[in-house]
Amino acid sequence: DTGVSQDPRHKITKRGQNVTFRCDPISEHNRLYWYRQTLGQGPEFLTYFQNEAQLEKSRLLSDRFSAERPKGSFSTLEIQRTEQGDSAMYLCASHPEGGLQDTQYFGPGTRLTVL
Amino acid sequence: EDQVTQSPEALRLQEGESSSLNCSYTVSGLRGLFWYRQDPGKGPEFLFTLYSAGEEKEKERLKATLTKKESFLHITAPKPEDSATYLCAVRELGGSNYKLTFGKGTLLTVNP
Repeated sequence: DTGVSQDPRHKITKRGQNVTFRCDPISEHNRLYWYRQTLGQGPEFLTYFQNEAQLEKSRLLSDRFSAERPKGSFSTLEIQRTEQGDSAMYLCASHPEGGLQDTQYFGPGTRLTVL
Repeated sequence: EDQVTQSPEALRLQEGESSSLNCSYTVSGLRGLFWYRQDPGKGPEFLFTLYSAGEEKEKERLKATLTKKESFLHITAPKPEDSATYLCAVRELGGSNYKLTFGKGTLLTVNP
């Protein structure tokens, strides 16, 4: 399978717990994006990486959220002290650098439920 | 202020009944307009990218068109398996962030 993969697919946690999600982009895609999608809404941009560098963060990404992409390969998104408002689908997307190669390919998402 | 507005929010068709979905956008400069299909509980699946007014792209029963203010996704003789949420997104000109701004989507249901 050469698509974007995400793990876990579903996560149920209690308010106040920390959670971490993983995204493996398509091989050789050096740009990686995180989005959040709530019910009835389109995905909203959270942050993006070019290789290992995190270049922009949305104001949606509070201090409780942190993302990394060590070595420019897979990425992790951690949420500390989860709140019920964090319940959403967290989507990862990737695309290669340059020219018209800007179509983002999405993974299956991680569905987070905070009780 | 919404940059991407999709209409209708929901559309119910009979199998074989053709129709169109609308995506209107307000950005200072358009780098690209993207259509995705999303099935329940899954990530968006790429359909089309349009870059300039007048451009059209087709795939099976779907055809996407672009003007300076809006895009249409035409569905010809739809089948039940075309039932999904169709998302429109734009990428603005300028900067190195290729982030997409999405509309809320149109939920399409095709009845047999």
